Amino acid sequence: EIVLTQSPATLSVSPGESATLSCRASQSISTNLAWYQQKTGQAPRLLIYRVSTRANGIPARFSGSGSGSEFTLTISSLQSEDFAVYYCQQYHNWWTFGQGTKVEIK
Amino acid sequence: EVQLVESGGGSVKPGGSLRLSCAGSGFNFDLHSMNWVRQAPGRGPEWISYISSSGSTVFYADSVKGRFTISRDNAKNSLFLQMNDLRGDDTAVYYCARGSYTSSTTYFDSWGQGTPVTVSS
Repeated sequence: EIVLTQSPATLSVSPGESATLSCRASQSISTNLAWYQQKTGQAPRLLIYRVSTRANGIPARFSGSGSGSEFTLTISSLQSEDFAVYYCQQYHNWWTFGQGTKVEIK
Repeated sequence: EVQLVESGGGSVKPGGSLRLSCAGSGFNFDLHSMNWVRQAPGRGPEWISYISSSGSTVFYADSVKGRFTISRDNAKNSLFLQMNDLRGDDTAVYYCARGSYTSSTTYFDSWGQGTPVTVSS
């Protein structure tokens, strides 16, 4: 099973600042990586797939990068609605998720 | 607009059974693979089952293999999950998620709102 390790577990950021979230895979997953946002009591929402392609309706302040086994989600100029938990997911070999990074208001 | 609506969750005793349903609308249901994903309290999501667009191919996570059965009825735009021999660690919110095909694999581009399942004596 491919294990995804996300860091940090919690990120405290002030509105308007940027946030950088990391996701490391236990083996190479090529570009088969997605990012999801989840707010309390809601389902996960697809933000990015194929490392860096934004899903429909996702603002340009969300960007993804990386390859192989190291990936990053960057949220520039955080808005109030961006404070949530973010999960990475690999779909290279079956499907697994990271344990999440909570982005909270500083 | 793509919509996925789950139903059928509830409370059940260990060893009991439940059948979850997911109704799809706003897209060609029979052109997409579908999945069940669950999320235990305070944990990340866990994929548990996949079914191809035609229903001919199914996969299960080891944690549910032999106890859960995925199926679909494309004529009714519906996805199902029959859960038998339920255990305490099956307690979670269960989501259906639509597969989107890319480069010989799929990611999950739309999710339902989830239905909670609690297994407790």
